[in-house]
Amino acid sequence: SVLLYQKPNRDICQSGTSLKIQCVADSQVVSMFWYQQFQEQSLMLMATANEGSEATYESGFTKDKFPISRPNLTFSTLTVNNARPGDSSIYFCSSRGLGGRNTLYFGAGTRLSVL
Amino acid sequence: QQNVQQSPESLIVPEGARTSLNCTFSDSASQYFWWYRQHSGKAPKALMSIFSNGEKEEGRFTIHLNKASLHFSLHIRDSQPSDSALYLCAAPNNNAGAKLTFGGGTRLTVRP
Repeated sequence: SVLLYQKPNRDICQSGTSLKIQCVADSQVVSMFWYQQFQEQSLMLMATANEGSEATYESGFTKDKFPISRPNLTFSTLTVNNARPGDSSIYFCSSRGLGGRNTLYFGAGTRLSVL
Repeated sequence: QQNVQQSPESLIVPEGARTSLNCTFSDSASQYFWWYRQHSGKAPKALMSIFSNGEKEEGRFTIHLNKASLHFSLHIRDSQPSDSALYLCAAPNNNAGAKLTFGGGTRLTVRP
């Protein structure tokens, strides 16, 4: 398995501002995935981040709005630019553990509220 | 592109009941399937997975998979209040298999 640590746990920000969410893995992982979850609904895959390359974004998510960095095999950041109330949700980082047969492990999540 | 649908959206059962949750997927080439459980305010956590047609049992939980019907299900025997959670089914959304597409979730409440 892999343990993923996210911070902050929660954040409140004003519309139009930007905030950064950090994710640290306790071991090296090839891919990190970022998911968005609105109030107890499905998990939507936002993007896949591999070390040393641009993140790959899913439909409905863009690099300008949600830039992602992946400077090494244990770390990734997700930035929410020009935050809007519609961005209020929980953001999870996730990754597969070594030998996990594609089991996805999730960080604790960052609950974002945009006023 | 994988499309995963879950039913029902919510379910309330008494303690001790047998509970059944359903999931359909669209990509017939999918190889493996997952159920995740998410307690309120917590991160999703893998519950069970299945890779072959048929049935897999782990304790009170059983997964059924029918690839021909593009359907898999989770059955909980002797449901407990601690089973109350959001249940999410998932299937891979590309041939690489690293990405998962999740269903809309079933909110299960087990009444004592």
